[in-house]
Amino acid sequence: EVQLVETGGGLVQPGGSLRLSCAASGLTVSSNYMSWVRQAPGKGLEWVSIIHAGSGGTTFYAESVKGRFTISRDDSKNTLYLQMNSLRAEDTAVYYCARSGTGFDPWGQGTLVTVSS
Amino acid sequence: EVVMTQSPATLSVSPGERATLSCRASHSVNSNLAWYQQKPGQAPRLLIYAASMRATGISARFIGSGSGTEFTLTISSLQSEDFAVYYCQQYNNWPPSYTFGQGTKLEIK
Repeated sequence: EVQLVETGGGLVQPGGSLRLSCAASGLTVSSNYMSWVRQAPGKGLEWVSIIHAGSGGTTFYAESVKGRFTISRDDSKNTLYLQMNSLRAEDTAVYYCARSGTGFDPWGQGTLVTVSS
Repeated sequence: EVVMTQSPATLSVSPGERATLSCRASHSVNSNLAWYQQKPGQAPRLLIYAASMRATGISARFIGSGSGTEFTLTISSLQSEDFAVYYCQQYNNWPPSYTFGQGTKLEIK
C-alpha cells in the first residue's frame, strides 16, 4: 500500500521558519514527481511546489512562495521536505504532499502550519 | 497563468439524482484535467485524470468529460458518501502549472 505521512507542522511566529517532512512507503520518492499543496482554513487548494524525478530533481514553485520555500528530498530516507522561511500569516494552512503526474495521487493526511504571533 | 473557474459554487441535489459540475479553463489545457473529491477533515482524493479516465477504485458513477476549456464531472445516482467538495485541476508538466478551481460543494437537497 502506498502511504505518505507528513510531519513538522506547528505554530510559528511571522518571519520564522519551519521544515515539513513527508515520509513515503510503497513508492520511491526519487522516482516520482512529488508536490506540496496547501489549503488555508476554509479555503481551496493551492499548489506550492514540485520536485521532478531523477538525479537532477528540478524544482519549481508557486509565485506566492518563490524565494522563501525550498523543496528537497532525501533519497536514503525516502522522504520529501519543504523548508519554509520568512513565514507570513497568509502561509497558514494544512500542507499536503502528493505524488504528481497525470493528477495528484496519493495524498498524505496533511500537517497544519499556523503562522501567528 | 491558467485560471480555473468552477460552477456552481454550491449544488443541492437529492440522493439518487444526478449531479453535473462544471469547470472552465481560461486557456486550453487540452485534456490535462483532473477532478478531486474532498470530505471534511480529509485529504483530497483523485477521481478523474486526463479529463475522462477514472482513477483506480473509483465508481463508474463518476464520469468526466470535456477538453480544451470546458469540462464536466457527472455523478449519477447520488449516494450519501458523494456529498463533498469537488475540485478540478489543470496540470501542465512544462512549464509546471497545477492550478485548482475554487471548488463546488455538493450538498444534500
